[in-house]
Amino acid sequence: GQNIDQPTEMTATEGAIVQINCTYQTSGFNGLFWYQQHAGEAPTFLSYNVLDGLEEKGRFSSFLSRSKGYSYLLLKELQMKDSASYLCAVRDEDYGQNFVFGPGTRLSVLP
Amino acid sequence: DTGVTQSPTHLIKTRGQQVTLRCSPISGHKSVSWYQQVLGQGPQFIFQYYEKEERGRGNFPDRFSARQFPNYSSELNVNALLLGDSALYLCASSPGAGEQFFGPGTRLTVL
Repeated sequence: GQNIDQPTEMTATEGAIVQINCTYQTSGFNGLFWYQQHAGEAPTFLSYNVLDGLEEKGRFSSFLSRSKGYSYLLLKELQMKDSASYLCAVRDEDYGQNFVFGPGTRLSVLP
Repeated sequence: DTGVTQSPTHLIKTRGQQVTLRCSPISGHKSVSWYQQVLGQGPQFIFQYYEKEERGRGNFPDRFSARQFPNYSSELNVNALLLGDSALYLCASSPGAGEQFFGPGTRLTVL
């Protein structure tokens, strides 16, 4: 079966760095995605990893280790607008290349 | 460039009723996926359609059905509504098997 795990909530201070971890077990892994979702809004795409290693995109970076079933999203120079839920999702060939989402991590950025 | 659109934005129904939700994908995208997101959880995959054919189905009862039209728009139907069907219903489009772009969602409340 499929299982994706993330911490439920995290808190960090404006200007700091935060790392949100994600572990997964899926049978048809074909890529890992991170989405940001503000309350009451649709998820928006942040990053994508299909090979092991680090992908950097401005203040956001994402890391993947397929052998460990592990990924993290790193947010630098936190801003108040980064307060949102962060969803880890695995694209799964057993689901027609659709996404299996984790429960999401609600990040609160404090002044 | 118009993104994914969904209608209606909000909907209130009573138990036992039927509901139809609509989605128009990004122009040129042939794949539409539907997700259910219960408050405080990550989205759960319901259906995927590509070129008007069902390509994937999640673990949802037969009360849920969908179809895709020649213009690639899609409808999600839910019969015999239950209180537990109250959720945000998200539509996502993609050109094929890549990144999915989410619409704003339809918030369904079942009383």
